[in-house]
Amino acid sequence: AQSVAQPEDQVNVAEGNPLTVKCTYSVSGNPYLFWYVQYPNRGLQFLLKYITGDNLVKGSYGFEAEFNKSQTSFHLKKPSALVSDSALYFCAVPHRTTDSWWKLQFGSGTQVVGTP
Amino acid sequence: NAGVTQTPKFRILKIGQSMTLQCTQDMNHNYMYWYRQDPGMGLKLIYYSVGAGITDKGEVPNGYNVSRSTTEDFPLRLELAAPSQTSVYFCASSSTNLAGVYNEQFFGPGTRLTVL
Repeated sequence: AQSVAQPEDQVNVAEGNPLTVKCTYSVSGNPYLFWYVQYPNRGLQFLLKYITGDNLVKGSYGFEAEFNKSQTSFHLKKPSALVSDSALYFCAVPHRTTDSWWKLQFGSGTQVVGTP
Repeated sequence: NAGVTQTPKFRILKIGQSMTLQCTQDMNHNYMYWYRQDPGMGLKLIYYSVGAGITDKGEVPNGYNVSRSTTEDFPLRLELAAPSQTSVYFCASSSTNLAGVYNEQFFGPGTRLTVL
């Protein structure tokens, strides 16, 4: 079964410092991987995805993610964090059911807390 | 292009009451999903649909029902509301491209439900 894991419940980051949110995956075959962000009292917003090709994927709001096949990781990064990046971040992997329908398997989420 | 819309935004129910949460998408997506998110927690899939007339259970379907009579609408029905159903409910939609690759899900703003 396809799955993702987010090992950190919370990441604290000072404004201007680099931000990394970790995600590891367990996937059979070629992985498709997604990152979402959820700001307080809002729905999830898509940030970026890896399908194939370049291992460095650029997304919205200055975020990027690095796909590493040997480490089975897809960490989300931002070179210089803002206090407004404080939110809940989810890694996700799509998988097909026995009927060949698609669902998304989400990680447990990582709360990013930015400080001035 | 409104994306995914949900009504109502907030609702308070008494134990044993019933209600329907509405979800509409205008992107012609074939996939639609209902999730619940308890405070400080991740997402749990309740039901999903792969097209009009086709639905399937997710990981927490008990106490809920769905129907999909059109591509655009995917209502979630709560029968005999219980305090354990107090949560935030998110609807999402998605599609696959011509090559069969799964695209990202788009989320609605959520419905905050309290059962007293």
